[in-house]
Amino acid sequence: GENVEQHPSTLSVQEGDSAVIKCTYSDSASNYFPWYKQELGKGPQLIIDIRSNVGEKKDQRIAVTLNKTAKHFSLHITETQPEDSAVYFCAARYGQNFVFGPGTRLSVLP
Amino acid sequence: EAGVTQFPSHSVIEKGQTVTLRCDPISGHDNLYWYRRVMGKEIKFLLHFVKESKQDESGMPNNRFLAERTGGTYSTLKVQPAELEDSGVYFCASSRRGGAGTDTQYFGPGTRLTVL
Repeated sequence: GENVEQHPSTLSVQEGDSAVIKCTYSDSASNYFPWYKQELGKGPQLIIDIRSNVGEKKDQRIAVTLNKTAKHFSLHITETQPEDSAVYFCAARYGQNFVFGPGTRLSVLP
Repeated sequence: EAGVTQFPSHSVIEKGQTVTLRCDPISGHDNLYWYRRVMGKEIKFLLHFVKESKQDESGMPNNRFLAERTGGTYSTLKVQPAELEDSGVYFCASSRRGGAGTDTQYFGPGTRLTVL
């Protein structure tokens, strides 16, 4: 079945630095890739997404890139701030449902 | 608009007992999904409702789990009898349109279930 891998599992960066989280997926038919941010005590919240007909999408300090050939997609956060600290999940659409990666715990150190 | 709500936020039960989790999706969202995250692993799909019909329940672990969505509004997920391995965080999500579309799924805050 569909599988999504996500790396790293934990990531610590200094405030102001950039953070990159990478995911790979197995089903070449997947065509939609959302990223979710989960803060303590809350459910995952969509922060950015990308469709398979686009290679890159940017929204202020966050960007996502997609390499369909390699079946890789990445989340880039620039100028990190303490409030960016959270668990981030990537996901790939598989049929009518989604398969999620295991999550990355990002810590932004002041 | 109000978001997806889930009740209870936490539940601690003993092995063999029954627990019922509730999810209220965003009003007007036909699609409702249940997910589970166990021990810090990935968020795993359990099942998908379109209105009151089960579209896909391939992720349900076994017949101890029963999901319903009578009337196509809120949904319940019952675990009976609960086992230790059922512990985890159960998330509900809803979206306006599924199938060929790629509408955003809005997640609830989750129910943390602990089976002792």
